[in-house]
Amino acid sequence: GQQLNQSPQSMFIQEGEDVSMNCTSSSIFNTWLWYKQDPGEGPVLLIALYKAGELTSNGRLTAQFGITRKDSFLNISASIPSDVGIYFCAGQGQGGSQGNLIFGKGTKLSVKP
Amino acid sequence: NAGVTQTPKFQVLKTGQSMTLQCAQDMNHEYMSWYRQDPGMGLRLIHYSVGAGITDQGEVPNGYNVSRSTTEDFPLRLELAAPSQTSVYFCASSMVGGNYGYTFGSGTRLTVV
Repeated sequence: GQQLNQSPQSMFIQEGEDVSMNCTSSSIFNTWLWYKQDPGEGPVLLIALYKAGELTSNGRLTAQFGITRKDSFLNISASIPSDVGIYFCAGQGQGGSQGNLIFGKGTKLSVKP
Repeated sequence: NAGVTQTPKFQVLKTGQSMTLQCAQDMNHEYMSWYRQDPGMGLRLIHYSVGAGITDQGEVPNGYNVSRSTTEDFPLRLELAAPSQTSVYFCASSMVGGNYGYTFGSGTRLTVV
């Protein structure tokens, strides 16, 4: 079945640094989504991407839908302590069951003040 | 507007016991789903529903049953709990298609001893 490879698995950075993470797949996806999960909570949608090559920002977050439709990137600029959490990519592929998303395994971000 | 409400938040079961995890949404979403989250495994789809009276299996359905008698509710039933079902369970909903992203509940942490 379709799988998403998300990297890195974890990151330890200093406050103020920029962060990059990505998701890749051997399959083509029609939609890419990025979620953040705070400890003890459910994932919350950060950014949604619908077209190949699309670049979308949400405050200090920027995500891109890869031109091949097989990857996506999330960048966080000038990280702050509240950026701590697990970031998930998710995609909806061609031929997938109606509404079902495939999730990456997550990138755990730790920020040192 | 409550969004997606899951109950209970925490539960401890003995092996062989049964229980129902509740999920309700007030956004009139047709699509609802259940995921389990385990360390290093990301989010794995258990069951999903595209509307009242319609359910289907996801990636890891064994040991779980669902029903969808109303648009609002999508309970997850564990008939004979096993230690392998120790996990955090998330319910999610969206408009049909998933392209708009899911809204997640805050999760149920289940321990089977």
